[in-house]
Amino acid sequence: QVHLVESGGGVVQSGRSLRLSCAASGFTFSNYGMHWVRQAPGKGLEWLASLWHDGSNKYYRDSVKGRFTISRDNSRNTLYLHLSSLRADDTAVYYCARGPGGGDGRIDYWGQGTLVTVSS
Amino acid sequence: EIVLTQSPATLSLSPGEGATLSCRASQSVNRYLAWFQQKPGQAPRLLIFDASNRATGIPARFSGSGSGTDFTLTISSLEPEDFAVYYCQQRSDWPLTFGGGTQVDIK
Repeated sequence: QVHLVESGGGVVQSGRSLRLSCAASGFTFSNYGMHWVRQAPGKGLEWLASLWHDGSNKYYRDSVKGRFTISRDNSRNTLYLHLSSLRADDTAVYYCARGPGGGDGRIDYWGQGTLVTVSS
Repeated sequence: EIVLTQSPATLSLSPGEGATLSCRASQSVNRYLAWFQQKPGQAPRLLIFDASNRATGIPARFSGSGSGTDFTLTISSLEPEDFAVYYCQQRSDWPLTFGGGTQVDIK
């Protein structure tokens, strides 16, 4: 079955960087687009970034463009999100999610998330 | 950016009752709309994709309809496990966007 496991979250000071990982199993990772979505405490879902199955296309929401970088290693079945210049409002649970097909905005399976807390 | 507005914000119902949740888009998303369910402390779960297609393993009491700018998620008869928050999401254009959610509470 599809399994996505995020890691790398924790408490980080404002202005610092962090790299999140998402280990995928149970499907052919290189055939699927992937996404990062976050959820601030008590708030709704906010899409952050998407990456095509082969890494050929990336999309970011404006508020994280230039600060966050999505990448993947298909040989390791792993998705990454590098977060830099972190701010207090980046505090959230960060989810990776699978995109069926190569990368067209569809989202099906989600990981359980990793919590990032930015302290000032 | 396509804004998705969900209504109502909260729906208080009893088990066995039907639920109708609405999602309105600020511009046409064709049928590129999905619905997710999220329970406290859990990741979202895909219920419906492309407006009306049930995802794998989703019970038939969940159905989706609509196209263009107006969409509906219907739960025909609420089971205890259906009390949760529901989000709509569009993939018609980037950035992907989610609605603000509808919380379905036990009355």
